[in-house]
Amino acid sequence: DTEVTQTPKHLVMGMTNKKSLKCEQHMGHRAMYWYKQKAKKPPELMFVYSYEKLSINESVPSRFSPECPNSSLLNLHLHALQPEDSALYLCASSRIGILGSTFGSGTRLTVV
Amino acid sequence: AQTVTQSQPEMSVQEAETVTLSCTYDTSESDYYLFWYKQPPSRQMILVIRQEAYKQQNATENRFSVNFQKAAKSFSLKISDSQLGDAAMYFCAYLYNNNDMRFGAGTRLTVKP
Repeated sequence: DTEVTQTPKHLVMGMTNKKSLKCEQHMGHRAMYWYKQKAKKPPELMFVYSYEKLSINESVPSRFSPECPNSSLLNLHLHALQPEDSALYLCASSRIGILGSTFGSGTRLTVV
Repeated sequence: AQTVTQSQPEMSVQEAETVTLSCTYDTSESDYYLFWYKQPPSRQMILVIRQEAYKQQNATENRFSVNFQKAAKSFSLKISDSQLGDAAMYFCAYLYNNNDMRFGAGTRLTVKP
């Protein structure tokens, strides 16, 4: 298995909803990442987990809450989002010390 | 802060021809890594090629090669024998300290049959 799987592929949510994005990999990678990508823009790093511990938080608002329950799973919990949070959310993973990440296909999030 | 600049928002190439995408970066570090990623309409970011800054030899992966000029902080991607499947958004990326990757604004490549 050489893939990073993200679910759901598409999500529409209201500003008062609570939802979660899920990311899964079975490549034994111990670093996992969340990126946010707006249309026609490059991905922007949000969070980095190394060995299931949060190592980088790029000043992301608290309405985004990451969770890494085990070495294969990475979640992003969403609550009280704003329309400007609509974007493609990409998950990636890599081996610690081995460079270059494997990306998932992303979740297209629309906040209404 | 490390920044990555791609000055070509769009590029076009005829099928079977060669095209070069430009990338420059700014850093005060001496040990870092550079990447080119491809993002087709399927949205998935695909690693095309990787270059370690301590290596003088330019990386090559089949039809893809880079011209890495460390002193000039330049990292261009050359695609030879372009194919229709090469059409995508290409992002240059800089990685420092293993986990912190920064992307350029991207270059949209169109391949004409």
